[in-house]
Amino acid sequence: NAGVTQTPKFRVLKTGQSMTLLCAQDMNHEYMYWYRQDPGMGLRLIHYSVGEGTTAKGEVPDGYNVSRLKKQNFLLGLESAAPSQTSVYFCASDQGYTGELFFGEGSRLTVL
Amino acid sequence: DQQVKQNSPSLSVQEGRISILNCDYTNSMFDYFLWYKKYPAEGPTFLISISSIKDKNEDGRFTVFLNKSAKHLSLHIVPSQPGDSAVYFCAAYNQGGKLIFGQGTELSVKP
Repeated sequence: NAGVTQTPKFRVLKTGQSMTLLCAQDMNHEYMYWYRQDPGMGLRLIHYSVGEGTTAKGEVPDGYNVSRLKKQNFLLGLESAAPSQTSVYFCASDQGYTGELFFGEGSRLTVL
Repeated sequence: DQQVKQNSPSLSVQEGRISILNCDYTNSMFDYFLWYKKYPAEGPTFLISISSIKDKNEDGRFTVFLNKSAKHLSLHIVPSQPGDSAVYFCAAYNQGGKLIFGQGTELSVKP
């Protein structure tokens, strides 16, 4: 049982480059989330989705876009990467308002 | 504006002793609280939760206490084991239905 899978696990980008992080879950969860973790800041919500075809902004959405074309996938895009987006990104899913999120292993992104 | 705060970045405890991790929140409308545990190079995993209608919830060695008047919750681990060494995040649901996390406390349990 894979749970929540994130790809890639590591990536180094130059300022201005674009990339997409892919999150896939096999638990048929309705809700999916993208968080970033930074030292001293905890986990901050970037964007989330309450179902296929829906997306919404979280606490720190600027510089990111997301899409949820299929229920099992949630994509996080950076159109023009900046050094401030150097972080560890976590995808999570749940059935909605349970609080018991299932997280992926994280994707470490470095922007030079 | 940090709505959920964990003011201790780290905590060191001897094996067998009690670990107490603290968390404060600012919004009295928060009504459901959770603790997550995170090992290095892994995603956080759910540990224990508590609703605002309770003041205590216990699960094995883990107990969460909620003091609504002080807007404070704590996680007690008794007895602490080396395998408990991890980063612990507290979290709360805000009115918008989003989970807000604290900064995390790194617990080190020494043999």
